[in-house]
Amino acid sequence: KAGVTQTPRYLIKTRGQQVTLSCSPISGHRSVSWYQQTPGQGLQFLFEYFSETQRNKGNFPGRFSGRQFSNSRSEMNVSTLELGDSALYLCASSSGAWGVYEQYFGPGTRLTVT
Amino acid sequence: AQTVTQSQPEMSVQEAETVTLSCTYDTSESDYYLFWYKQPPSRQMILVIRQEAYKQQNATENRFSVNFQKAAKSFSLKISDSQLGDAAMYFCAYRSPREGTYKYIFGTGTRLKVLA
Repeated sequence: KAGVTQTPRYLIKTRGQQVTLSCSPISGHRSVSWYQQTPGQGLQFLFEYFSETQRNKGNFPGRFSGRQFSNSRSEMNVSTLELGDSALYLCASSSGAWGVYEQYFGPGTRLTVT
Repeated sequence: AQTVTQSQPEMSVQEAETVTLSCTYDTSESDYYLFWYKQPPSRQMILVIRQEAYKQQNATENRFSVNFQKAAKSFSLKISDSQLGDAAMYFCAYRSPREGTYKYIFGTGTRLKVLA
């Protein structure tokens, strides 16, 4: 079974621009979570999607948004990029079944904002 | 709100020795799930071990085992016979099964160095 894939793997953007990151979960997984990882803050939860619905959202400004498609693939968008948005963005998928909470992570997208 | 604390930013262990990584958490819930994840340098995060709070028996996966102390809200990871490939960041995580949560809370991580 293929693992979680994320595209692109690396991205360099300029402050003020917007960016879209993509995540394809493991086949059959319906839940996708997004995290921002930085050396200073560790893993910060962004949001979680299940069956195209956002079920929870972390404490990030509205510039961070996401969506999930009917095939469970998910995208994350950051508008009006700031230097502080430079981070590794991780996507994780899980089956979404009750009591099955293991998350499987993708390799991440390294975003650098200049 | 739940919190997860990893008080050891960095640990070192000699190859073939045993090391214990600490994790404490705070919650008012009685049912929850705890995890240890490993993130090798420049590689994907992978699940090491999981523990359900309602199970008294400590989880074990080969050389990895946990010491789960529910009353003390402690969840430490023991790595036996350490290998060079164990060098990584280790994250402790908490997950509530309560309807409406749907998120994991991660600790800040412990960087494990394995010395040859």
